[in-house]
Amino acid sequence: DAKTTQPNSMESNEEEPVHLPCNHSTISGTDYIHWYRQLPSQGPEYVIHGLTSNVNNRMASLAIAEDRKSSTLILHRATLRDAAVYYCILRDVNGNKLVFGAGTILRVKS
Amino acid sequence: GAGVSQSPSNKVTEKGKDVELRCDPISGHTALYWYRQSLGQGLEFLIYFQGNSAPDKSGLPSDRFSAERTGGSVSTLTIQRTQQEDSAVYLCASSLGRTRGNEQFFGPGTRLTVL
Repeated sequence: DAKTTQPNSMESNEEEPVHLPCNHSTISGTDYIHWYRQLPSQGPEYVIHGLTSNVNNRMASLAIAEDRKSSTLILHRATLRDAAVYYCILRDVNGNKLVFGAGTILRVKS
Repeated sequence: GAGVSQSPSNKVTEKGKDVELRCDPISGHTALYWYRQSLGQGLEFLIYFQGNSAPDKSGLPSDRFSAERTGGSVSTLTIQRTQQEDSAVYLCASSLGRTRGNEQFFGPGTRLTVL
């Protein structure tokens, strides 16, 4: 499976935008980029996914580099509830399992 | 609608005993996954079901681990002769299918402690 690299941790102030980076230089042409997050004491939760074009949903935006070797998850206005571990995942070529890395611990300060 | 449910939420067992963990996926979801999360290993894939078949069992750590799914719905993960290193949170997820775009919905997990 192609791997991703994320910073170990990031900190943000409440009500400010947060940009969470992810590098995936070995991504293949048919790998989707998925983001999940895990709040304390809960199972992971889907955030967003994309292939080539930037994507927006009610939770976040996903900006994908033109060469697809990196992407950025954007939370437009961080809240305390957004404090979680954020995982950037390249979906397995067979389209089933998710391969989780260490993720980025996001801390949000009030 | 109801999400993925798992039972029990917590299980404490003695080393050497067998345990069964149950997962009820979202109704209509044909794909079901088991993962586990331990302090030392992070989140790791165990097994994937499509319907009642398990085309990918590559993550099961040993032959003490097995899983089945019946009626295309409920799944049970069984750990025989539990060891202390089996202590972890066992997470179940389901999705509509196996295509790359389908998001996985996770349950709250079962925390297993082996004494």
